[in-house]
Amino acid sequence: AQRVTQPEKLLSVFKGAPVELKCNYSYSGSPELFWYVQYSRQRLQLLLRHISRESIKGFTADLNKGETSFHLKKPFAQEEDSAMYYCALIQGAQKLVFGQGTRLTINP
Amino acid sequence: EAGVAQSPRYKIIEKRQSVAFWCNPISGHATLYWYQQILGQGPKLLIQFQNNGVVDDSQLPKDRFSAERLKGVDSTLKIQPAKLEDSAVYLCASSFRLSSYEQYFGPGTRLTVT
Repeated sequence: AQRVTQPEKLLSVFKGAPVELKCNYSYSGSPELFWYVQYSRQRLQLLLRHISRESIKGFTADLNKGETSFHLKKPFAQEEDSAMYYCALIQGAQKLVFGQGTRLTINP
Repeated sequence: EAGVAQSPRYKIIEKRQSVAFWCNPISGHATLYWYQQILGQGPKLLIQFQNNGVVDDSQLPKDRFSAERLKGVDSTLKIQPAKLEDSAVYLCASSFRLSSYEQYFGPGTRLTVT
């Protein structure tokens, strides 16, 4: 069965430090992966999509098919990055399968 | 553009009671989704509509949950009767079409079953 695993429920780093949020997946086929983010008191929203290969708010994510991973990275964390982050993959007719989420806290 | 609207935002009911949630998607979005998010977990898809037809309801507990999207716009999700384990945030999302990869989420309805 298709599954997304985010091994860290909580992650805390200092402002200016590098950030890496881990995501591993199991999928039979060519996966399409995403990172969604939910800032405090805001709605869940798309952060980035692996096919786009773009940097959003300084974040990047590379799909590693060998390790079945899609880790989210940012070289220098900012306080406004504090949020809940969800890794997700598309299954079938645009059905999103989400991981459990990682709460990222950036300490000043 | 206005976002996905949901009501109510909060609901507290006793077990065995009934409850209904309403969702109004972004104008022009053909695909509508209902997710259940239990505390500490990621959202789980309950049902997916394309216009007024069901695309996927494989994870909808059909003995107690029902959903409809009669005119292909607004949607209602109902639970009857509710159980304690139904306590969760119910999220509605929409996308322009079935092949659209980006889903736009509503604020959610937080349900507490006592």
